Amino acid sequence: EAQVTQNPRYLITVTGKKLTVTCSQNMNHEYMSWYRQDPGLGLRQIYYSMNVEVTDKGDVPEGYKVSRKEKRNFPLILESPSPNQTSLYFCASSRTSGRAGNEQFFGPGTRLTVL
Amino acid sequence: RKEVEQDPGPFNVPEGATVAFNCTYSNSASQSFFWYRQDCRKEPKLLMSVYSSGNEDGRFTAQLNRASQYISLLIRDSKLSDSATYLCVAYDYKLSFGAGTTVTVRA
Repeated sequence: EAQVTQNPRYLITVTGKKLTVTCSQNMNHEYMSWYRQDPGLGLRQIYYSMNVEVTDKGDVPEGYKVSRKEKRNFPLILESPSPNQTSLYFCASSRTSGRAGNEQFFGPGTRLTVL
Repeated sequence: RKEVEQDPGPFNVPEGATVAFNCTYSNSASQSFFWYRQDCRKEPKLLMSVYSSGNEDGRFTAQLNRASQYISLLIRDSKLSDSATYLCVAYDYKLSFGAGTTVTVRA
C-alpha cells in the first residue's frame, strides 16, 4: 500500500529535550516536506527536500532541523523544543515539486505537546 | 497578509442541500489551484484540482476567477460524509494552504 508513515503519532515532552519525528514514504517520491498545522493558521511549511541530500527552509524553519540521507526518509529534529512548537505536524511527499505531479500525500500526523 | 484566505465557517447544512464557499489568494502569479479535504485533524487529502474553465467531479464543482483572485467549491446534494474541513491551495513554485473552511452536514 502506498503510504507515508510518521512516528510517533503522539508525543508529550518537556522544554529542551531533543526529539526526532520520523517520516518514511514508499512511493519513490523525490519531494518531501514537513508542515505544522495550528488553529487559524493553516498548514505552514517548515522544511522541504527536493531529493537526497537537498534540503531547504520553508516558511517557519526556526527551531527545526531535517536531513535527507535516503530517498524514502525525512526525519524532523527538534534540538531544543519549546512550548511554541506544540502543534500538529504532518510529513508529506509528492512525485515532484513542479506544477505537475505535486499532489501531496500526507502522513497521519504527529501531535506534539511541549511542556 | 496570508497568501490564501478562507472563511473558516462552520457551514452547517442539512443533508441534500447545496453549499458553496470561496477562498481568495493574494499572489496573482499563482499557477494552479487545488482543494484538499481534511477530516477531523486527520491528514489532508487531495479532493480535486481547479481548472481555469471550472470543473466538476461528481457532486463537487470548482471554479476559478483569476480577475478577482478567488476560487470556489460547490457541493451539491450534501451527504453526511461530506462533513470535513476543506483546504484551499494555491501553487506558485510552492504550495500555499488556506486555514480551511469547515462544513458540517446534519441529518
